[in-house]
Amino acid sequence: KNQVEQSPQSLIILEGKNCTLQCNYTVSPFSNLRWYKQDTGRGPVSLTIMTFSENTKSNGRYTATLDADTKQSSLHITASQLSDSASYICVVSARQGDMRFGAGTRLTVKP
Amino acid sequence: EPEVTQTPSHQVTQMGQEVILRCVPISNHLYFYWYRQILGQKVEFLVSFYNNEISEKSEIFDDQFSVERPDGSNFTLKIRSTKLEDSAMYFCAARPRSGTSDYEQYFGPGTRLTVT
Repeated sequence: KNQVEQSPQSLIILEGKNCTLQCNYTVSPFSNLRWYKQDTGRGPVSLTIMTFSENTKSNGRYTATLDADTKQSSLHITASQLSDSASYICVVSARQGDMRFGAGTRLTVKP
Repeated sequence: EPEVTQTPSHQVTQMGQEVILRCVPISNHLYFYWYRQILGQKVEFLVSFYNNEISEKSEIFDDQFSVERPDGSNFTLKIRSTKLEDSAMYFCAARPRSGTSDYEQYFGPGTRLTVT
């Protein structure tokens, strides 16, 4: 069954600190993996997209990694800011276009 | 920067009524999607639409739902005979034509549907 599991479910960090969010998936065959940021009550905004051949992708202070062998991805946030407080969603697509969303990690950055 | 827009932002309807949710995609985008997110739960794919027809749909997208692009710009989701469990945020997304099957999707702000 195609699943996407994210951990932790929620995370609280202090402003300026780094953090890493995890995503494990069983989606097969694999097409691409995306990380989205979703502010409360808003639509998701794309942060990174990685295909099978890519194992790292950066977007400013966000760096995503992908290990297609172990079916794991991480999203690393550097020097967190208060505006980083949001849900971060991992989305994995199969080649036939089936998209599976993780439940998200709720990040809270405190001053 | 062009954005995907959705109307209304909040829709309240009585159980059994029909609702139409509207989306205005970015003008050069050719693939359109609807998702829903029940409060506190994960985002769920409903349907994708290309070239005026459905290309993929999930098991959620049953006969109660339909999509169309009535005037070549707006993209609508119709929900017939709404049920309490249809209460959710409904997101529209759009993407340009690309060689990658699910390249960058741009999400709208969502419509919050409340069925009473």
